[in-house]
Amino acid sequence: ILNVEQSPQSLHVQEGDSTNFTCSFPSSNFYALHWYRWETAKSPEALFVMTLNGDEKKKGRISATLNTKEGYSYLYIKGSQPEDSATYLCAFGDRGSTLGRLYFGRGTQLTVWP
Amino acid sequence: EAEVAQSPRYKITEKSQAVAFWCDPISGHATLYWYRQILGQGPELLVQFQDESVVDDSQLPKDRFSAERLKGVDSTLKIQPAELGDSAMYLCASSTSYNEQFFGPGTRLTVL
Repeated sequence: ILNVEQSPQSLHVQEGDSTNFTCSFPSSNFYALHWYRWETAKSPEALFVMTLNGDEKKKGRISATLNTKEGYSYLYIKGSQPEDSATYLCAFGDRGSTLGRLYFGRGTQLTVWP
Repeated sequence: EAEVAQSPRYKITEKSQAVAFWCDPISGHATLYWYRQILGQGPELLVQFQDESVVDDSQLPKDRFSAERLKGVDSTLKIQPAELGDSAMYLCASSTSYNEQFFGPGTRLTVL
């Protein structure tokens, strides 16, 4: 089982604050890095799939960067809103495993207070 | 918008009983995944299907868990007998490629 670490485990911010989370993964056999947002009582929703070192992706106020050589990805949220409250999961795709298999971190639980 | 369907959403059972979960993937998605998320941990793959074939069940506790996808469409995950440690969220996901996976809302299992 490959180790994927996320930090912090939880985060509480005020509306309007910007925040970021970290995902660390093995730097060898990289295939893909996924970010998901999981709101309570809903389905996990894909935010980004990144496959190339140096990738930067953006969706609205949320962006992500990828460094495969050192094994980390950052997720940024600019101007957090209460609707951003969710658990953010990252998942690592390993080239040496069954194609498509993902290894998930424990997630960062974000709470945005109005 | 097409979604992955799962049922039931919640299940409470007593230990030693049998339970079954159902998943209907997005139409046309050949790959189907079952994950288990124990409280405080990340989702862990239990079994991966490509059409009707199992391609990865290395983390499936085969003494009590079974999974099938007979016609390569919907899938059933069964636990018999259930144990206290099986209490978790069971998630189903599907995909067309080996990139983005689309998840259902999950089944929350509580074993008493």
